[in-house]
Amino acid sequence: SQQGEEDPQALSIQEGENATMNCSYKTSINNLQWYRQNSGRGLVHLILIRSNEREKHSGRLRVTLDTSKKSSSLLITASRAADTASYFCATDGDYGQNFVFGPGTRLSVLP
Amino acid sequence: NAGVTQTPKFRVLKTGQSMTLLCAQDMNHEYMYWYRQDPGMGLRLIHYSVGEGTTAKGEVPDGYNVSRLKKQNFLLGLESAAPSQTSVYFCASSPAAGMYGYTFGSGTRLTVV
Repeated sequence: SQQGEEDPQALSIQEGENATMNCSYKTSINNLQWYRQNSGRGLVHLILIRSNEREKHSGRLRVTLDTSKKSSSLLITASRAADTASYFCATDGDYGQNFVFGPGTRLSVLP
Repeated sequence: NAGVTQTPKFRVLKTGQSMTLLCAQDMNHEYMYWYRQDPGMGLRLIHYSVGEGTTAKGEVPDGYNVSRLKKQNFLLGLESAAPSQTSVYFCASSPAAGMYGYTFGSGTRLTVV
């Protein structure tokens, strides 16, 4: 089934730095989403970007989408220790009724 | 503002035992989903429902059954648990397909010994 693949698998940065995570997918999509998961918790929806959009912002988050390259990126600016979490991209699934999740990027923000 | 509530939060089963995981949402969402999360594999869809009284198979449905008798509840059943079903199970809901983010529950950690 179609699936996004995040890169890198793990990322460690210092507080205050920017963090960039990438997601590549295989076939055309209608929508792509990014989620955050803190350790031991459920996923929290961050941003949904449609295939006809190139960039969306939400607070310190910026998501870009390049449909020609079948890729998306999530940028977290001025990172904080509280941003430490796993981040997942999700793309429209084969079933048309759901999203398919990648394996995620583990972000560690060091104080 | 409970959102999506999953019960139980933890459970240990012996191989061959059965159990039901309950998911309840109070947002009047039409769509509900059951995922399992295993290390390094992201979330995999088990079953989903597009409305009360409907269910459909996802990517990994074998060994599981579901029911959606009421709009707010989505039950996941394991008839005869196997060690391969050791996982963290997440329920999610959405107002409709495709255009909305999911609201997730906090998960059920299941261990089958």
